[in-house]
Amino acid sequence: GENVEQHPSTLSVQEGDSAVIKCTYSDSASNYFPWYKQELGKRPQLIIDIRSNVGEKKDQRIAVTLNKTAKHFSLHITETQPEDSAVYFCAAHRLHNTDKLIFGTGTRLQVFP
Amino acid sequence: NAGVTQTPKFQVLKTGQSMTLQCAQDMNHNSMYWYRQDPGMGLRLIYYSASEGTTDKGEVPNGYNVSRLNKREFSLRLESAAPSQTSVYFCASRLSGGNTGELFFGEGSRLTVL
Repeated sequence: GENVEQHPSTLSVQEGDSAVIKCTYSDSASNYFPWYKQELGKRPQLIIDIRSNVGEKKDQRIAVTLNKTAKHFSLHITETQPEDSAVYFCAAHRLHNTDKLIFGTGTRLQVFP
Repeated sequence: NAGVTQTPKFQVLKTGQSMTLQCAQDMNHNSMYWYRQDPGMGLRLIYYSASEGTTDKGEVPNGYNVSRLNKREFSLRLESAAPSQTSVYFCASRLSGGNTGELFFGEGSRLTVL
């Protein structure tokens, strides 16, 4: 089955700086790579996702890049703001399969004003 | 459209007691999941149901049972609660086979076992 590793576990940045979170996956058949954001005391929510047929996707200040050969993908947040402070989770799975849906261990991002 | 609804939101149990967490979704999703999240830790899959009538073990199934009652409802049962099961439990659902794999979560159920 799929195994997802996520780094770093914690990340502190100054407001305005960029933040990068990295994930690696094991199953080369995985073709869908979502990122979820969980604010304190809230439920996780999808913020961006990428499929294996593209290498990069952007949505305003967030972007995700995918390297299928190396089996890793990354979340990039530019011009960070205090409201970006949260725990971020990555996942990897086969979009049209009903597999176990395993998450990375999470990254706690703190953005200091 | 309520999305994913979990009950109860909070529960305190004594060691050895049993309880069932209820989950229902109104999005006509076929796949449903139960995760637990311990303080400072990630989301660990307990059980999942790919479709009505099927259930499978996740990463941490010991001490739990599940029932996929119908397409809408997926319950999680603790037969004999232990302090190690103190956690926040999230139910989630998604439309497998669709063009998006987005997982929709409930608000979570905070369980304390004394």
